[in-house]
Amino acid sequence: KNEVEQSPQNLTAQEGEFITINCSYSVGISALHWLQQHPGGGIVSLFMLSSGKKKHGRLIATINIQEKHSSLHITASHPRDSAVYICAVRSYSGGGADGLTFGKGTHLIIQP
Amino acid sequence: NAGVTQTPKFRVLKTGQSMTLLCAQDMNHEYMYWYRQDPGMGLRLIHYSVGEGTTAKGEVPDGYNVSRLKKQNFLLGLESAAPSQTSVYFCASSPSYPISYNEQFFGPGTRLTVL
Repeated sequence: KNEVEQSPQNLTAQEGEFITINCSYSVGISALHWLQQHPGGGIVSLFMLSSGKKKHGRLIATINIQEKHSSLHITASHPRDSAVYICAVRSYSGGGADGLTFGKGTHLIIQP
Repeated sequence: NAGVTQTPKFRVLKTGQSMTLLCAQDMNHEYMYWYRQDPGMGLRLIHYSVGEGTTAKGEVPDGYNVSRLKKQNFLLGLESAAPSQTSVYFCASSPSYPISYNEQFFGPGTRLTVL
C-alpha cells in the first residue's frame, strides 16, 4: 500500500508570502495529483504530474520521481488561496482504475 | 455540463436505518468512485466501478453496497447505518484513457450523520 505523507499539516502565512507544501510517497507511481478543497467542501483538481514541473497562474507543482517527492508552490499568496491542499497518487500496482491514495491534506490560511 | 452531482447534500439517519446516495455524471466517464472523508484522515476509497454493470471493493467497503446499472449513475447504499458511518461522502468520476493519468472529477459531497 502506498503511503502518502504531507507537510506541514497546518500553515498560516501573510498575504504575499511564497508558500511551499510538500508530499512524499513510499512506492512507485504513475501519476501524482494536487487537489484543492475549499471551506465549502468541494474538491477540484489543480495538477496531475508524472514528471517535471507544471505551472498554472501563481501555482507551480514539481515532482522528483527518484526521490518520491513532490512540492506545490504558491507565489504571491492571497487570502483566497486559503484552503486544504491534498496530494494523491496513483500507484503502479493499482491496476489503473482502482482510485487514488490520498494524503491527509495541508490546511493553509493566508492572512491579509 | 453539470459535471458530477450528488444527491442528497445532507442527511441525518438513526442507527439501523438504510439509505442510498446517488451520484450522476454527464461526462461519459467509464470509471466512478465513492470515497469517504473523515477528520484527520485522507479520503478513503469505499467502492469503485470500471464500467456499467461492474463494481469492486476499495479500502473500506464494509457496511456499504454499490450498484452501477447505468453508465452515468453510481449508487452507494447503507443497509443498516451505524454511527461509524458518519462522514462526508464524495463521488468522483474519471475517463478510462489515458489510464496512467486518471484525472478525477469530484462531486460536491454528501454530509451524512448517523445518530
